[in-house]
Amino acid sequence: QVQLVQSGTEVKKPGASVKVACKASGYTLTSYNLYWVRQAPGQRLEWMGWINPGNGNTKYSQKFQGRVTITRDTSASTVYMEVSSLRSEDTAVYYCARGKIDYYYGMDVWGQGTTVTVSS
Amino acid sequence: SYELTQPPSVSVSPGQTARITCSGDTLSKQYAYWYQQRPGQAPVLVIYKDSERPSGIPERFSGSSSGTTVTLTIGGVQAEDEADYYCQSGDSSATYLVFGNGTKVTVL
Repeated sequence: QVQLVQSGTEVKKPGASVKVACKASGYTLTSYNLYWVRQAPGQRLEWMGWINPGNGNTKYSQKFQGRVTITRDTSASTVYMEVSSLRSEDTAVYYCARGKIDYYYGMDVWGQGTTVTVSS
Repeated sequence: SYELTQPPSVSVSPGQTARITCSGDTLSKQYAYWYQQRPGQAPVLVIYKDSERPSGIPERFSGSSSGTTVTLTIGGVQAEDEADYYCQSGDSSATYLVFGNGTKVTVL
């Protein structure tokens, strides 16, 4: 079945970086963009950016431009999202989700989420 | 940038109808999408392109649009519908996306 499976919980110190993985299965990776959305405790969903796994093109929310990098390894059907210069406000659950490339129909499949805690 | 505004909470008795609004200038030109998020779980898409329902989503979920406001309607609310609901939209090519502030639906 169609699945997005994310890597496990991370605990990082302020100033460090974290890289979260999202492994896709059950569908053609290059037919869907992979989006990253985060949710701080008790807060709204927040769109961070996306990648076209086929050609590697990316777009980032202005808020995260320069501090977030999304990459892919098509041979491993995996997309990665790295956040650098972590601060306490980056403590959140990070989700990956897919959306059709040719026409956007919303994010129809989501990963289970990865909890990232930033604490000294 | 875009902003989408939702009421913080909606309360409804079982079997009644819940209506959740989402307002924003971009909604007069772009489609809205709705996600349900139960506590501790990942979001689930319940409505796309203002009023279309993905396969597997119960018929009691419906969406509508008028001007700069879109509405998610849950008819015959059940206890399992208690969750946070988020609207989402973006620019014309869905390159840049935005979520609303979320609405907590409480089933009394």
